[in-house]
Amino acid sequence: GAGVSQSPRYKVTKRGQDVALRCDPISGHVSLYWYRQALGQGPEFLTYFNYEAQQDKSGLPNDRFSAERPEGSISTLTIQRTEQRDSAMYRCASSLEGPYPGGEQFFGPGTRLTVL
Amino acid sequence: KQEVTQIPAALSVPEGENLVLNCSFTDSAIYNLQWFRQDPGKGLTSLLLIQSSQREQTSGRLNASLDKSSGRSTLYIAASQPGDSATYLCALPSGGYNKLIFGAGTRLAVHP
Repeated sequence: GAGVSQSPRYKVTKRGQDVALRCDPISGHVSLYWYRQALGQGPEFLTYFNYEAQQDKSGLPNDRFSAERPEGSISTLTIQRTEQRDSAMYRCASSLEGPYPGGEQFFGPGTRLTVL
Repeated sequence: KQEVTQIPAALSVPEGENLVLNCSFTDSAIYNLQWFRQDPGKGLTSLLLIQSSQREQTSGRLNASLDKSSGRSTLYIAASQPGDSATYLCALPSGGYNKLIFGAGTRLAVHP
């Protein structure tokens, strides 16, 4: 059974480079979320898609971060001009239902980003 | 603003003990609450989801309860095993679009 997949699993990059993180949700899932998790903390919300529409990007820390889900399935989180403080685990989750009332979220394995 | 706190932060127990992990939240107007397990290098595995109308949910040796009025949920693990060693996170939707607010987790170590 296909769960949520993310690629790459690990990404090491130099400060100033752009990175693109991919999320492939469970087939048919309407909702897609991106979270970021620092060591020793729980994940923190970044952005939310309902099909292809980005309905909430309030958690994106600044304008170097952007995300898209052009066909309502695969999503890409892009970080431009990476900085060391961007180093974290980036997690994607999908849910079968729309946002209200909201259903169970299923998470992928995450992408560990390290910025040198 | 919803805040989620998990106590204890870490727990080390011998195999066979029954355990209680605590999760508290500040805003009782919630739709549901989810418990997750996190293993190093792996994703978050959903263990239990309790709807706001429910008092508890059970899955195998796991039982989660929800008391909205007091802003608390507990995860009860019966007869713990070394394979239960992981970080346990609780999360609940807040602020619209079902985005989850997580606690910092409880790191559990069960030793033989």
